[in-house]
Amino acid sequence: AQSVAQPEDQVKVAEGNPLTVKCTYSVSGNPYLFWYVQYPNRGLQFLLKYITGDNLVKGSYGFEAEFNKSQTSFHLKKPSALVSDSALYFCAVRDLTSSGGSYIPTFGRGTSLIVHP
Amino acid sequence: SQTIHQWPATLVQPVGSPLSLECTVEGTSNPNLYWYRQAAGRGLQLLFYSVGIGQISSEVPQNLSASRPQDRQFILSSKKLLLSDSGFYLCAWSPGTSGFQEQYFGPGTRLTVT
Repeated sequence: AQSVAQPEDQVKVAEGNPLTVKCTYSVSGNPYLFWYVQYPNRGLQFLLKYITGDNLVKGSYGFEAEFNKSQTSFHLKKPSALVSDSALYFCAVRDLTSSGGSYIPTFGRGTSLIVHP
Repeated sequence: SQTIHQWPATLVQPVGSPLSLECTVEGTSNPNLYWYRQAAGRGLQLLFYSVGIGQISSEVPQNLSASRPQDRQFILSSKKLLLSDSGFYLCAWSPGTSGFQEQYFGPGTRLTVT
């Protein structure tokens, strides 16, 4: 079984400050981990993913995420937030050991990021 | 490059009326296709997924159905809409050959059932 948790419904940061959006996961085997962003009334956009290798993954728009196997976490980070980063952020996980021909990830409930000027 | 289209963008339908939402993908073949619903509370609910023509798996029993008449076409339907069917419907695709690929989402359809 696979699950993912985003413990914060909302994160508020000031423009120019670093931001962190938290994600923890649970899988039976090794995880594939993903972050997506959703702007109002739009579809989700892929930001970055962790499959294997370096624990620090860099993605689109200056975002990065750190995979921590011991803490089963995959937190999204950005060194300097922009007002335009305000959006809904989703973490997703797929268990590498899942069987079946399809790719069915489990999504978190989402975290609303608000960056104020 | 690949693109995904959904239509209509918005829809207002009375309770008891039928529904048909369409999703098409361009620039790829044999994609895995997905229908999600996003309620006002934000979370994504997987409704259906398909790994090939005519192959549909349902995740949640309800009054919705899905069909895949062509490789890159995915249709979400209902014979009689309920108020609870209101929401934001998202179609997505991923490459069918690998499990570590991300999903690509369409722009969504906002459905309001009155």
